[in-house]
Amino acid sequence: KNQVEQSPQSLIILEGKNCTLQCNYTVSPFSNLRWYKQDTGRGPVSLTIMTFSENTKSNGRYTATLDADTKQSSLHITASQLSDSASYICVVSDRGSTLGRLYFGRGTQLTVWP
Amino acid sequence: EADIYQTPRYLVIGTGKKITLECSQTMGHDKMYWYQQDPGMELHLIHYSYGVNSTEKGDLSSESTVSRIRTEHFPLTLESARPSHTSQYLCASSEGTSGGTDTQYFGPGTRLTVL
Repeated sequence: KNQVEQSPQSLIILEGKNCTLQCNYTVSPFSNLRWYKQDTGRGPVSLTIMTFSENTKSNGRYTATLDADTKQSSLHITASQLSDSASYICVVSDRGSTLGRLYFGRGTQLTVWP
Repeated sequence: EADIYQTPRYLVIGTGKKITLECSQTMGHDKMYWYQQDPGMELHLIHYSYGVNSTEKGDLSSESTVSRIRTEHFPLTLESARPSHTSQYLCASSEGTSGGTDTQYFGPGTRLTVL
């Protein structure tokens, strides 16, 4: 069964600190992996996308890594800001259909305190 | 910020009412999607469309229906709302390039509460 598991479920950090969110998946055949940021009451916004051959991708203070062999990804946030408080969702796409089926994790709820 | 809009943002209605959730995008995207999301849970695909006059059911069974008469518009209708329909509904669109490599852009969502 294709699945995407994220950890931790929730995380609280102080402003200025770094953190790392984890994503494990079993989706096969693998096409790509995205990290989305979803603010409360808003739709998800794409942060990064990585294909099979990419190990790391950065977007400002966000750096995503991918290990396609172990089927693991991480999202590292440096120098956190209050505006980073949101749910971070790992999304994996397969190559098995024209639609490019997306498998969503439940997200990690990050709270940044001043 | 993506040019995809949803109205209303919040809706509280009584059981048995018919409702239509609006979704429109100005990016000229061929593919559009409806997702349902409960608090703390993953998004579930309930409907999608490849283009005008094309609609398909998603992975999660839903009593809602959709239509795609115009490229930019993808409304979702519930003929008779029930409390079990209470959820957040997210609309998304994408360019429609090959097999899942294109990015889906999401609207702000509609928070539906059925009393």
